Amino acid sequence: DAGVIQSPRHEVTEMGQEVTLRCKPISGHNSLFWYRQTMMRGLELLIYFNNNVPIDDSGMPEDRFSAKMPNASFSTLKIQPSEPRDSAVYFCASSRSGGSNEKLFFGSGTQLSVL
Amino acid sequence: KQEVTQIPAALSVPEGENLVLNCSFTDSAIYNLQWFRQDPGKGLTSLLLIQSSQREQTSGRLNASLDKSSGRSTLYIAASQPGDSATYLCAVGDYGQNFVFGPGTRLSVLP
Repeated sequence: DAGVIQSPRHEVTEMGQEVTLRCKPISGHNSLFWYRQTMMRGLELLIYFNNNVPIDDSGMPEDRFSAKMPNASFSTLKIQPSEPRDSAVYFCASSRSGGSNEKLFFGSGTQLSVL
Repeated sequence: KQEVTQIPAALSVPEGENLVLNCSFTDSAIYNLQWFRQDPGKGLTSLLLIQSSQREQTSGRLNASLDKSSGRSTLYIAASQPGDSATYLCAVGDYGQNFVFGPGTRLSVLP
């Protein structure tokens, strides 16, 4: 299995631009999570989906952030407009059932820099 | 609100030593606890998952214990190797299908 695949690995953009991060979960996993990692705040859950449906988006910082999961094999996290404080590493993770009974499998992350 | 802390923040040991990493959480009503390893510039890799009904889990040189009543977990690494150098994070799972992560312990094993 290829694991959780994220793209791009690195993204450098200017303030005000739209940024789209992509994730392909492990085949057969029906839960998908988006996390953000910074030095100051550590690893924070932004949103998670179960069977393609958003279950908890309370971690999404502002309306500038949106996430979609149009099918079981693809999800996007969009920031529009981007701001320098959005600079962080964004991780996607998936699990078999989404319950806390299951291990989380992480992608390699997208390093986002907003100038 | 669940809060997770890890002590120490960083640890440096010579190769071959046994070591213990600590994780504390404030709300004992957890579903399980998971230990992860993160290498620089990479994602997290799950090492061990302990269900709330369990006391410990073992995998190779790693042993993780859980004491819900005291809000603590430890990760024991036996006979440490330079390849063990990484950041180790614990994450507490709640009944709402969410994990709250600790800040991590950065481990360096010197050859």
